[in-house]
Amino acid sequence: EAQVTQNPRYLITVTGKKLTVTCSQNMNHEYMSWYRQDPGLGLRQIYYSMNVEVTDKGDVPEGYKVSRKEKRNFPLILESPSPNQTSLYFCASAKGGGYTFGSGTRLTVV
Amino acid sequence: GENVEQHPSTLSVQEGDSAVIKCTYSDSASNYFPWYKQELGKGPQLIIDIRSNVGEKKDQRIAVTLNKTAKHFSLHITETQPEDSAVYFCAASKNSGGYQKVTFGTGTKLQVIP
Repeated sequence: EAQVTQNPRYLITVTGKKLTVTCSQNMNHEYMSWYRQDPGLGLRQIYYSMNVEVTDKGDVPEGYKVSRKEKRNFPLILESPSPNQTSLYFCASAKGGGYTFGSGTRLTVV
Repeated sequence: GENVEQHPSTLSVQEGDSAVIKCTYSDSASNYFPWYKQELGKGPQLIIDIRSNVGEKKDQRIAVTLNKTAKHFSLHITETQPEDSAVYFCAASKNSGGYQKVTFGTGTKLQVIP
C-alpha cells in the first residue's frame, strides 16, 4: 500500500529535550515536506526537500532541522523544543500533483 | 506571497443537501488547485484537484469549479452523507524554483446532520 508513515503518533516532552520525528514513504517520491497544523492557521510549511541532500526552508522553519540522506526518509528534528512548538505535525510526499500525507504526530512540549 | 482565503470556516447541512466551500487566491501564477479532506485523527487526503487550463471537474458527488479571472475556486458536494463530515482544505499551488509551492486555506469544518 502506498503510504507515508510517521512516528510517533503522540509525543509529550519537556522543554529543551532534543527529539526526532521520523517520516518514511514507499512511493519513490522525490519531493517531501513537513507541515504543522494549528487551530485557525491551517497547514504551514516548515521545511521541504526536492531530492536527496536537497532541503530548503518553508514558511515557519525556526526551531526545526531536517535531513534527507535517503530518498524514502525525511526526519524532522527539534534540537531544543519549546512550548510554542506544541502542534500537530504532518509529513507529506509528492510526485507532481497533490500530496500524500502521513497520519500526523501530535507533539506537546511542557 | 500567495494568500488563500477559505469560507465558511464551519458549515452544517442536512443529509441529502448540497454543500459549497469557496476559496480565493491572490497570485495569478498559481496553476494547480487541490482539495483535501481531513477526517478526525487522520492526515489530509486528496479528494479532487483542478488545473488552471480547466474550468470544472467532477468526480461522482464532488465537483470543483475554477474562475481564473476572479481568482476563486469552489468545492461542491451534492447529496451529502454523514461520512462527508470532516474538515476540508483548499490549496493553491505554483511553480517556484523547480518545485510546486503550495499555500493552504484555513479549512472548513463540514457537519452533515442525519
